[in-house]
Amino acid sequence: EAGVAQSPRYKIIEKRQSVAFWCNPISGHATLYWYQQILGQGPKLLIQFQNNGVVDDSQLPKDRFSAERLKGVDSTLKIQPAKLEDSAVYLCASRPDSSSMNTEAFFGQGTRLTVV
Amino acid sequence: EDQVTQSPEALRLQEGESSSLNCSYTVSGLRGLFWYRQDPGKGPEFLFTLYSAGEEKEKERLKATLTKKESFLHITAPKPEDSATYLCAVLPHFGNEKLTFGTGTRLTIIP
Repeated sequence: EAGVAQSPRYKIIEKRQSVAFWCNPISGHATLYWYQQILGQGPKLLIQFQNNGVVDDSQLPKDRFSAERLKGVDSTLKIQPAKLEDSAVYLCASRPDSSSMNTEAFFGQGTRLTVV
Repeated sequence: EDQVTQSPEALRLQEGESSSLNCSYTVSGLRGLFWYRQDPGKGPEFLFTLYSAGEEKEKERLKATLTKKESFLHITAPKPEDSATYLCAVLPHFGNEKLTFGTGTRLTIIP
């Protein structure tokens, strides 16, 4: 079974520029999460999708961050304009539907963003 | 709001020296508690799911246990390759299935 795919792996941009990250979850997984992980900290949830609908985006800085999940499969996370404090690893994870016996989420390798 | 607290933040052990990592949690009805391992520059790798108090899971030198308030990850006779950050997360029964993580324990095993 293929895992969660993310791209790019690394990105360096200047502040005030824009950037987009892409995630392809495990096939059939209904729930998709985007997390921000700052060095030395645990993952912080930015947004959660159930199929193509947003379930929780309470911690997403909506003035600069946006995300979508087209057709309930792939997802993109965008930052525009980027700030220095956005430097972090952006992790995508997916889980099966809530009716599944399996509850664990699986993660991609992440995208390391550096804003200079 | 669900909360997860992990301790210690960092732990250095000699090879073969057993120890335990702690994960304390508060959640509105626990559906599952998860342990992940994260190596530098990589995404978290799933280790265990625990569902109810008293449950235990084992994998090689790792054993995870669960009570109503906390979980422990016991490491027996660790090797240098066990060095990593160990993350704990909780999934509630109710609400929107938000997966909440702790800050992790950075484990270093010294040869």
